This record gives sequence, C-alpha cells and structure tokens, in this order.
Amino acid sequence: DGGITQSPKYLFRKEGQNVTLSCEQNLNHDAMYWYRQDPGQGLRLIYYSQIVNDFQKGDIAEGYSVSREKKESFPLTVTSAQKNPTAFYLCASSIKGPFSYNEQFFGPGTRLTVL
Amino acid sequence: DQQVKQNSPSLSVQEGRISILNCDYTNSMFDYFLWYKKYPAEGPTFLISISSIKDKNEDGRFTVFLNKSAKHLSLHIVPSQPGDSAVYFCAASARVGDMRFGAGTRLTVKP
Repeated sequence: DGGITQSPKYLFRKEGQNVTLSCEQNLNHDAMYWYRQDPGQGLRLIYYSQIVNDFQKGDIAEGYSVSREKKESFPLTVTSAQKNPTAFYLCASSIKGPFSYNEQFFGPGTRLTVL
Repeated sequence: DQQVKQNSPSLSVQEGRISILNCDYTNSMFDYFLWYKKYPAEGPTFLISISSIKDKNEDGRFTVFLNKSAKHLSLHIVPSQPGDSAVYFCAASARVGDMRFGAGTRLTVKP
C-alpha cells in the first residue's frame, strides 16, 4: 500500500557528526518536503522540492542539505553546522499542482537526538 | 515570525459536546487553509481544508469556518468523541509548496 516511510524512528548521534535522514514515498507525488517540529512550535519548513533535481530552501535551511535524485526519495542531511539539531523531523509529499492546492501527506517522523 | 498562530495550547471537552479550535493568521496573501490531526509518534494526517473563496466547509462531524476580514479560522467538531483526542495543527498557504503551520492545540475529549 502507498505511503511515506521515514527511517529510523529514533536516531542518536554525537555532536559534530553529520547524519542523513531518509524519506521514501511510493505515492507518485512530485513534491516533497522536510519539516522540523520543536516543542510548543509549529512545523517549520526546512527544504522542499517540486521536481527531481530541484529544491528550494524553506525558513530554516541553515545547517541542512538535501538531494532529489529520484522522485521517490528526498533524504535530509543534518550537518554539524546546525546549532540545535535535536528535534522531531517530518517528511511530507504532495501532488504538484501549479494552479491548485493539495494537502500534504506526512511520514511517521524521525526523532533525532544529538548527544 | 509566526504567521499562523494557535493561541490555545490545549483544550478539554466532554464527549458529545462541541470542540472549537481556533487559528489566526497574519499574512493576507494566504488563500488556502488546512487542518491536520496528529497522534503521538505519528505524522500529521490531513483532516479538512478551505479555500479563501468560501467561508465554510463541512465534512461529517468536522466543519471549518473562515473569516477573512478577521484573518481567523476555526475547526468545529460535533459531537466530540474520545478518538478525536489528538494535537490539531492549523496550516495556511499562499502558493503551492509554501505552507505555514501553527504550533498546534492538544484536544482531550473526556468520556
């Protein structure tokens, strides 16, 4: 059945290490997104991609990088430059529609803890 | 700069009564609004949406109201059920791919 998978559910890393969070979707969606959720705050957009090999920065892109080599995959790398990387990370996808709006479908999330 | 605000972090309602969740926004360019529901350790799931050309959209027990002049929207759940207990996020968009979320309201429906 179709959906978005994020793995692992929990991830621990030492400070100063880069870490890559995976996001895969089999919904045939063109657009994919990465959000970060912190306690008491809404979801904040990190990066999004409307099409393969293209992506745009969101509100809090500093310290993160992404790639979109395949339609199904949108991995997020949290680099050592990210000052406060411990958070809950959510990946989402949606049908791309330049003249319409479509809801985003979310994965289960990855909780990253940097020790 | 929070463009979408949910000022009530929590709400408790008796089963069978109405739940009203509120959301305010500041960006007058927003023209599409959504509500998402989130259970612990899961991703948000889409609940209901409304475009700015409407002031009401209903889907079963869920109704979203939009007041553009006040830049305010609300989600009504009638009747509330214990299974509705979750965190509800309001979201707004001005163009495809650029969605802003509120901080969420935790709804608890007591049996």
